[in-house]
Amino acid sequence: AQTVTQSQPEMSVQEAETVTLSCTYDTSESDYYLFWYKQPPSRQMILVIRQEAYKQQNATENRFSVNFQKAAKSFSLKISDSQLGDAAMYFCAYRSYSGAGSYQLTFGKGTKLSVIP
Amino acid sequence: AAGVIQSPRHLIKEKRETATLKCYPIPRHDTVYWYQQGPGQDPQFLISFYEKMQSDKGSIPDRFSAQQFSDYHSELNMSSLELGDSALYFCASSAGTGVYEQYFGPGTRLTVT
Repeated sequence: AQTVTQSQPEMSVQEAETVTLSCTYDTSESDYYLFWYKQPPSRQMILVIRQEAYKQQNATENRFSVNFQKAAKSFSLKISDSQLGDAAMYFCAYRSYSGAGSYQLTFGKGTKLSVIP
Repeated sequence: AAGVIQSPRHLIKEKRETATLKCYPIPRHDTVYWYQQGPGQDPQFLISFYEKMQSDKGSIPDRFSAQQFSDYHSELNMSSLELGDSALYFCASSAGTGVYEQYFGPGTRLTVT
């Protein structure tokens, strides 16, 4: 079974600064997908960014980028120019292929990010 | 853009009662997933449906059942509720079985007293 580990339960960053959230995973699969989801106080789960394992190029979405190290099974999220609205719980997620038409997500325990004005 | 709709948003039930949660996926999405998120926990996969057939099952108690209907909406039925069932229940939908992301609904907060 796949496991996802987020070793930083809480982090903080000054507004306008850069912060990196860590995520490692364990899998025996060669093809998979990784995601970062954001969960603000509203508890809505919002997709931030995704990475396909077969792509060497790191994904980027505006101020959000990832550092994907497949051999090390590491998938960190970098948030540049942090804004107050970035304060949330961030979950790293692994997508398994577990059967016909199913791609269940396995989540890490989350990292709570605080943004200091 | 249309999003995943879940109803009700909040539900309070007593122990041993039954609850039904509904999920309406994004139009043209044919795959639905259910997740349970306990207080301070990460979401845990319960069950999924693809084209109205159950496609995978996670840590779903036998007291729970679910189905996907012809219009692709899904319902999660929970019987003999226990205090430990109190959680946020998410439905997510995706288009097909390829690389498509799962888009989450706002969740149903179930409180069992």
